[in-house]
Amino acid sequence: GEQVEQRPPHLSVREGDSAIIICTYTDSATAYFSWYKQEAGAGLQLLMSVLSNVDRKEEQGLTVLLNKKDKRLSLNLTAAHPGDSAVYFCAVNNMGYKLTFGTGTSLLVDP
Amino acid sequence: ETAVFQTPNYHVTQVGNEVSFNCKQTLGHDTMYWYKQDSKKLLKIMFSYNNKQLIVNETVPRRFSPQSSDKAHLNLRIKSVEPEDSAVYLCASSPRTGGADEQYFGPGTRLTVL
Repeated sequence: GEQVEQRPPHLSVREGDSAIIICTYTDSATAYFSWYKQEAGAGLQLLMSVLSNVDRKEEQGLTVLLNKKDKRLSLNLTAAHPGDSAVYFCAVNNMGYKLTFGTGTSLLVDP
Repeated sequence: ETAVFQTPNYHVTQVGNEVSFNCKQTLGHDTMYWYKQDSKKLLKIMFSYNNKQLIVNETVPRRFSPQSSDKAHLNLRIKSVEPEDSAVYLCASSPRTGGADEQYFGPGTRLTVL
């Protein structure tokens, strides 16, 4: 089955710096890619999703890059602020019935 | 307010007891899910229902059973809890079944088994 690795597990940046999180997946049939944010004590909030025909998507300070050749997905927070401190998950789907989640990245943004 | 609601927020119980968690979505979605999130934040899908029909049933112990009365409700019962069941249980819903499907999550129910 699909295997998703996410790194780094922990990331600490200063306010205004960029933060990059990377996921690699194994199934070449993977066609749907998404990023979620989980704040302390809360559920997951969808940040952005892309289909496999998209290489790059930008929205509100977030950039998602998809490299299908290397089976790599990344999330870039271009100017992080303390409110971005949370756990981030990638999630992928081969258009089947279930998402496979990455292992999570705990991001801390220092003011 | 349209969202995914879960009750209770927290539950503490002893080994061998039965617990039930409730989930309701007011988003008008067709599909609902239960996930288990362990102490390391790892997420694993447990069950998925589409219009009251079970469509995903991962390898979970038989003491776990989902219950769906209609497409807006998906409850989870654990018949005889074990210490390894301590986790956060997250409910989610999505408009369709599978594919490029955005999932919306509830706040979770944290279970502690003593």
